Amino acid sequence: GEDVEQSLFLSVREGDSSVINCTYTDSSSTYLYWYKQEPGAGLQLLTYIFSNMDMKQDQRLTVLLNKKDKHLSLRIADTQTGDSAIYFCAEAAGNNRKLIWGLGTSLAVNP
Amino acid sequence: DGGITQSPKYLFRKEGQNVTLSCEQNLNHDAMYWYRQDPGQGLRLIYYSQIVNDFQKGDIAEGYSVSREKKESFPLTVTSAQKNPTAFYLCASSIRSSGSSDTQYFGPGTRLTVL
Repeated sequence: GEDVEQSLFLSVREGDSSVINCTYTDSSSTYLYWYKQEPGAGLQLLTYIFSNMDMKQDQRLTVLLNKKDKHLSLRIADTQTGDSAIYFCAEAAGNNRKLIWGLGTSLAVNP
Repeated sequence: DGGITQSPKYLFRKEGQNVTLSCEQNLNHDAMYWYRQDPGQGLRLIYYSQIVNDFQKGDIAEGYSVSREKKESFPLTVTSAQKNPTAFYLCASSIRSSGSSDTQYFGPGTRLTVL
C-alpha cells in the first residue's frame, strides 16, 4: 500500500546544512509536501514540489526529487536554532489526492 | 487576516462525556479535514469534507462524528465511544480536494485530555 518513510531524528550544528530525507511508494503521486511543526503548534507548510520537477529552491530551502528512486529531500542551508522542529513529508496520492504522511523527522539544532 | 482557527487550545473532559472541538476557516476553502496526532504516530485522518453537507470517514473515524452545515465550519465531536481520546487534534482546509496542488493549511490545534 501507500507509505511514506522518514528517519525519526536529525541533529546538526548551528550554521551547518540540514538534509531531511523521505521515501514514498506511490508512483502516481502528483505533489509532495514538506511541513514544519513547532512544539504544541499546528503544521506550517514550508514548500511543495510537483512530480514533474527535479528541484525547487526557496530562500534557504532546497527540495530535491528523485522520481526513479521515489526519494524526496529537504535541505535547509545555514540551519538556525529556530529551525528546531519536526518536519513532515507528505505525498498526494490516489484519485482523491488524500495526503499520505510520514511520521516526521525531529530536527535538533545545537549551538 | 485569513486563516484557520481552532478552539479551545486546551480541553479537559471527564471519561464518558462527549466533547465538541471547533474549527473555522475564512479562506473560502471547499475542503476541510480533521486529523489526530499521537506521539510517534504522525497524523491520522479522522474525517474530511469536500463540500457543504457532505463528509467522508477517514482512517480512524470510530468514536468521532462531524457536521458540515456551513462552508467555513467543520466541528468535530469526540464521543464517549472513543476509547482513547487523549491526543492533539488538528484541523486543516484546502481550496479543493481534487485536481491541482490541493495544499492543506492547518489550524493551531486543540489538545484534548481525558481525566
